[in-house]
Order: sequence, then C-alpha cells, then structure tokens
Amino acid sequence: SQTIHQWPATLVQPVGSPLSLECTVEGTSNPNLYWYRQAAGRGLQLLFYSVGIGQISSEVPQNLSASRPQDRQFILSSKKLLLSDSGFYLCAWSGQGSYTGELFFGEGSRLTVL
Amino acid sequence: AQKVTQAQTEISVVEKEDVTLDCVYETRDTTYYLFWYKQPPSGELVFLIRRNSFDEQNEISGRYSWNFQKSTSSFNFTITASQVVDSAVYFCALSGNNDMRFGAGTRLTVKP
Repeated sequence: SQTIHQWPATLVQPVGSPLSLECTVEGTSNPNLYWYRQAAGRGLQLLFYSVGIGQISSEVPQNLSASRPQDRQFILSSKKLLLSDSGFYLCAWSGQGSYTGELFFGEGSRLTVL
Repeated sequence: AQKVTQAQTEISVVEKEDVTLDCVYETRDTTYYLFWYKQPPSGELVFLIRRNSFDEQNEISGRYSWNFQKSTSSFNFTITASQVVDSAVYFCALSGNNDMRFGAGTRLTVKP
C-alpha cells in the first residue's frame, strides 16, 4: 500500500534562518507531488506541484522553493524565513497523469517563525 | 481561473442535528472533478468523496450525502444526525487541467 511521510512534524525557527521540510512517498511510482500551506484559520494554498523529477511548478511567488531530487522525494526549502511563513505545511501525492485523482496527504509540518 | 467558495466559515450544531456545508465553484474546464476532504484536529486531511463533472447523481454514504448541481455550480455536503466525532474542518476542492484548488474550509463544531 502507498504511504506518505513528511518531517519534521513541528518546527520553531527564528526569522532569517533556513528551512528544509522533507516528504517521501512509498508504494507508488512517478506520483504527482504537491506542497500546500494552511495559514492559521485559513484554507489550503497550493505552493508547488511536480509531475516528475526536476519538474517544479510554482503557484505563488515567495521566498520558498521546492525540489524533487528523486522520484518519490519532495523538499520544501527557504534560505531565509519570514514571519509570514508560519503555518501548517502539507505534502500530498496523486496518481500520475492528471489532477483527476484524489490527493493523499502527509501528516503535516507545523512551522512557527519567531 | 478556477475558484472554490465555501461561504460558511464556521457552523455550530447540537448532536443529532442535520447540517449542510455549502460549496460553490467556478471553472472554464468542461471536464473537472470535485472533492470533499475532512481535516480533524490531528491536521491530516482525509479524502471523503470525488465527483466528476459528467456525473450529477447524488450520493449517499451512511450519514453523509452529497448534492452536485451543475446548473448552480454547487457541490453541497450534508451530514445527517451529526455526531461529536464529525467536528472538523471540511474542505471542498476542484481539480481541472492543471491543479487542485481548495476552498477556505468550513469549521464544523458538533456539541453534545
């Protein structure tokens, strides 16, 4: 069966520090991968999606970046965090091909920038 | 552009009441999919249902039912005889050619 894991689960970082959130998927090949952010009390905002290794599409211009070094690995990074980067980050995957399948979400990573 | 609107930010009901969560969408795609997800306090999103744009049949699954009306671009979700365990944030989502868009979510609180 397929599983998705992301870590760390909780992170408290000072403003200006770097960030790295990692997500891995097991049990499937060539998935579509996504990073979403959920600000406190708000909906889900699509940040990045990837249809293959090295293929990243960005939805919102910001100081965050994403990389997909391996087929089932998706990394969210920042060189210098801002206060506004605080939120709940969710990694997700769906079947290859199109955006017609349901998304399967990881456990989420709660980031607090102080 | 695709857009999903969940006008109800928060809803509070007493156990055993029926409750309907509204979802209105906008898209120019002729083929698209609609979803409902549940986010319990633990944070992880749980898939509830998927509907494609060609299937307007309503669906019932236990206490849950969904009403898809293309004419009004709505995909509403009803919980019958609500229970405390139904307390969560519920998201409606729309996927088309390029991505999946979520509504802002509706926080449902079911009081005992």
